[in-house]
Amino acid sequence: AQTVTQSQPEMSVQEAETVTLSCTYDTSESNYYLFWYKQPPSRQMILVIRQEAYKQQNATENRFSVNFQKAAKSFSLKISDSQLGDTAMYFCALNDMRFGAGTRLTVKP
Amino acid sequence: DVKVTQSSRYLVKRTGEKVFLECVQDMDHENMFWYRQDPGLGLRLIYFSYDVKMKEKGDIPEGYSVSREKKERFSLILESASTNQTSMYLCASSHITGKQPQHFGDGTRLSIL
Repeated sequence: AQTVTQSQPEMSVQEAETVTLSCTYDTSESNYYLFWYKQPPSRQMILVIRQEAYKQQNATENRFSVNFQKAAKSFSLKISDSQLGDTAMYFCALNDMRFGAGTRLTVKP
Repeated sequence: DVKVTQSSRYLVKRTGEKVFLECVQDMDHENMFWYRQDPGLGLRLIYFSYDVKMKEKGDIPEGYSVSREKKERFSLILESASTNQTSMYLCASSHITGKQPQHFGDGTRLSIL
């Protein structure tokens, strides 16, 4: 069975600092996609970044980047220069419609 | 701009009622999804639809059914609502290859009393 695990239920970071959210997964597929979603308080879930497993280069979207370790089945999200608007639930997902339990990130002023 | 619209933001129903949650997307997407979101459990897939009248069960389909008569509309039906179906329900759609949601609605917070 394919699984996605986020082991950090809650995290906090000071504004302007860098934070890394962890995600591990398990799949028997040889090619797959991984995703990070952001859900701000009382607002819509949005897709932040996605990574194709066959690409060795880590995906980057502005201040968001991933550290994809295929052999270790690890897919962490790094947020640089954290902003108050980054406060949200973050979900890791595998391309079989399965999501992790989420990490609640709070950015402190 | 891409839009997924869920008919209600908040809904309160009674045990045993038949409940309809509606979702409409304006992007001509083939794929549509219904999830429920519970604290500590993340999002769990209830049903997935890849075309009109086509559906697949997700991880937790028991007690739910779906209807997709038109491409833009995907309805979730609670046949006989129970208190353990109190939750946040999220609808999503996508055009990307593979089964992965891309755009989400605002969610419906459903309370069953």
